Amino acid sequence: QKEVEQNSGPLSVPEGAIASLNCTYSDRGSQSFFWYRQYSGKSPELIMSIYSNGDKEDGRFTAQLNKASQYVSLLIRDSQPSDSATYLCAVNMDSSYKLIFGSGTRLLVRP
Amino acid sequence: DTEVTQTPKHLVMGMTNKKSLKCEQHMGHRAMYWYKQKAKKPPELMFVYSYEKLSINESVPSRFSPECPNSSLLNLHLHALQPEDSALYLCASSPPTSSDTQYFGPGTRLTVL
Repeated sequence: QKEVEQNSGPLSVPEGAIASLNCTYSDRGSQSFFWYRQYSGKSPELIMSIYSNGDKEDGRFTAQLNKASQYVSLLIRDSQPSDSATYLCAVNMDSSYKLIFGSGTRLLVRP
Repeated sequence: DTEVTQTPKHLVMGMTNKKSLKCEQHMGHRAMYWYKQKAKKPPELMFVYSYEKLSINESVPSRFSPECPNSSLLNLHLHALQPEDSALYLCASSPPTSSDTQYFGPGTRLTVL
């Protein structure tokens, strides 16, 4: 069974802090990894993709990938209340069109 | 045009009705997807079309019938649905240069009475 695991949260952080969201996956051969943000009642929005071990930065967001340990994380610096949402980790495990989604982590940023 | 559009935004239908959901993109993407998402759950893949051909069918009940008339348009025909089919229906598409990257439309909120 190919799985992607996330802590459901909620993860609560104060405004201005760093939020750290984690995701583990079961298939060691997975090649591409994605983070989506989903506000309540809205559709998922792609915020980061990562393919290689290490860090990838885009503005306040940093994605980190460690294939040996089979985890991918998302750091959000200077968290804002507008970052409060559910963050979905998605993994492409077999180079097909199919993404395996984690159940999502709900992030709450307290003003 | 850099987005996936879906119509209608909301749909209420009875169990005997026939309705269709529409998805459109003009970004030259050649893979298009239908997902179903229930509250507090991740999206569940239903169908994938690649170059207008059905590529993946995740054993979805036959009351859901996809159609891809051309490379920009994807439909989902609904017939004899059940109340448990009420959900957010999401369309997504992928560019040919990055076929594993999916961009979602805003979704159609479906309620079956």
